Amino acid sequence: AQTVTQSQPEMSVQEAETVTLSCTYDTSESDYYLFWYKQPPSRQMILVIRQEAYKQQNATENRFSVNFQKAAKSFSLKISDSQLGDAAMYFCAYLAPGGGADGLTFGKGTHLIIQP
Amino acid sequence: NAGVTQTPKFQVLKTGQSMTLQCAQDMNHNSMYWYRQDPGMGLRLIYYSASEGTTDKGEVPNGYNVSRLNKREFSLRLESAAPSQTSVYFCASSAGAGRQETQYFGPGTRLLVL
Repeated sequence: AQTVTQSQPEMSVQEAETVTLSCTYDTSESDYYLFWYKQPPSRQMILVIRQEAYKQQNATENRFSVNFQKAAKSFSLKISDSQLGDAAMYFCAYLAPGGGADGLTFGKGTHLIIQP
Repeated sequence: NAGVTQTPKFQVLKTGQSMTLQCAQDMNHNSMYWYRQDPGMGLRLIYYSASEGTTDKGEVPNGYNVSRLNKREFSLRLESAAPSQTSVYFCASSAGAGRQETQYFGPGTRLLVL
């Protein structure tokens, strides 16, 4: 079974600074998908960014970017110019090829605090 | 755009009572999912449906049943609620075709079983 590990239960960053959230995963597959989801206090799960394992180029969405290290099975999220609205739980998730009954495998999350 | 909707938003049950959580999506997605989220944990898959009329068990299916009524709707039923089923329940959907695997989530249903 796949596992996803987020080793930082909580992170704190000053507004406008950069923060990196860590994620490692375990899989024997070569083709898969990785995601970062944001969960604000409203509990809505919001997709932040997605990475296909076959792509070497790291995904970027505005202030959010990832550092995907396939050999190391590492998938970190970098948030630049942090804003108060970025405060939330962040979940790293893995999806096996074909998706299906395996669903998404989630890490336990990192609570991100933005200091004004 | 409604996306994925869930009803109710919050429910309190007594042990042994039954209820059905409703989920609907308007994105013409093929695949739908039910997850539960417990404190300090990520989401865990309860059931999955690849298409109308098909369902598969996920990681934590015990105590639950599901129905894929049509392409839009996927319901989760608790026949005899237990305190261990106190959780937040999320429904999700995805196009489920090849690379279109991104899952989009509903707002969640918070369930308290006393």
